[in-house]
Amino acid sequence: GAVVSQHPSWVICKSGTSVKIECRSLDFQATTMFWYRQFPKQSLMLMATSNEGSKATYEQGVEKDKFLINHASLTLSTLTVTSAHPEDSSFYICSARDHRGNTIYFGEGSWLTVV
Amino acid sequence: SQQGEEDPQALSIQEGENATMNCSYKTSINNLQWYRQNSGRGLVHLILIRSNEREKHSGRLRVTLDTSKKSSSLLITASRAADTASYFCATVRNSGNTPLVFGKGTRLSVIA
Repeated sequence: GAVVSQHPSWVICKSGTSVKIECRSLDFQATTMFWYRQFPKQSLMLMATSNEGSKATYEQGVEKDKFLINHASLTLSTLTVTSAHPEDSSFYICSARDHRGNTIYFGEGSWLTVV
Repeated sequence: SQQGEEDPQALSIQEGENATMNCSYKTSINNLQWYRQNSGRGLVHLILIRSNEREKHSGRLRVTLDTSKKSSSLLITASRAADTASYFCATVRNSGNTPLVFGKGTRLSVIA
């Protein structure tokens, strides 16, 4: 079945550095991908909608200069957390909509710890 | 951007019992979906119910949708310890490329 691959699964970085998380749709084309973050024991909060070939649409309160999103191909979207701070430590999950229908598939998520 | 609320927020039952989780949402929807998430993992799609459907079954899962009350329920019958997870409802407001908007989730614990 359709699979969305997210990499890395977990990453530890120092404050002030940048971290890139990749989201790939493995056997379908995804013109739209979505990025969420999730704090422990909380729900998923939508950060941005990533559209292939155009600028991402960010939710209110999400800093676009801090969370850079690039959707350069129909199978890959990346989220770069720039100048990371400890409060950015969270679980980040991407999802991709299969262009053939309404089904949305989720990646396994990426744990980011900023020390 | 959260759309809805699930209740209860936490539910603890014995293995073999049924578990019922409810979800309410605020805006009109195209469909409603239920997902499961094991601790620290990604989401697994369980079932999708369209706005013109009232009930849907999949194995031990039964989902209902009441658009007049803007609510849905997920019933897991004959629960197993492996059903322990968080369950989220998510809605799509319109067709097209709108994202899923998640409720707060119910943490289900099934005790063997």
